[in-house]
Amino acid sequence: DTGVSQDPRHKITKRGQNVTFRCDPISEHNRLYWYRQTLGQGPEFLTYFQNEAQLEKSRLLSDRFSAERPKGSFSTLEIQRTEQGDSAMYLCASSLARAGVGSGANVLTFGAGSRLTVL
Amino acid sequence: EDQVTQSPEALRLQEGESSSLNCSYTVSGLRGLFWYRQDPGKGPEFLFTLYSAGEEKEKERLKATLTKKESFLHITAPKPEDSATYLCAVQLSGGSNYKLTFGKGTLLTVNP
Repeated sequence: DTGVSQDPRHKITKRGQNVTFRCDPISEHNRLYWYRQTLGQGPEFLTYFQNEAQLEKSRLLSDRFSAERPKGSFSTLEIQRTEQGDSAMYLCASSLARAGVGSGANVLTFGAGSRLTVL
Repeated sequence: EDQVTQSPEALRLQEGESSSLNCSYTVSGLRGLFWYRQDPGKGPEFLFTLYSAGEEKEKERLKATLTKKESFLHITAPKPEDSATYLCAVQLSGGSNYKLTFGKGTLLTVNP
């Protein structure tokens, strides 16, 4: 397994266009997360899947954003009608749910990210 | 509101000059505290998880410690390849025990 894969690595688009990012998690991981990171800031949580179920969406995720994880495998994050404020690095992470504290539970493994620039 | 604050924002060291990075947190219930390293243009890379006050973990030149209010990442005799942004994150107990809340990070530069 080569880790968490994200595609594309870079996307430049014009304001108003739609973009879609794909994430392939570590195969045995049942949890998948999307984060957004802007320059000089830490990653901010966007949304989370356990298997194919989307269990939480951040208030940061406006109705222009939609994420899916069909069949509990890869995930896509779509941004409709992009705005300049959407320019950021979009990070995907995955983890294996384990019970108990101190068991290595929920160590998130991140992908390299997809950098979006909206002109 | 749960908060994670890292200091300093940036730190410049000479090779071999040891120092510490700080992560203070205010959360309702801590399940774990995580340290990640992030190189420019890349995703965060996991370093350590600490679960209880008094716990320490080491990896090469790095040692992480945890108290009830903060964590330190000690860097002993750093090398230029240790230059990166170091991110601290907390995982909460209870219903939100699956996600991480990150601080803004400390940008470490080690000069040869």
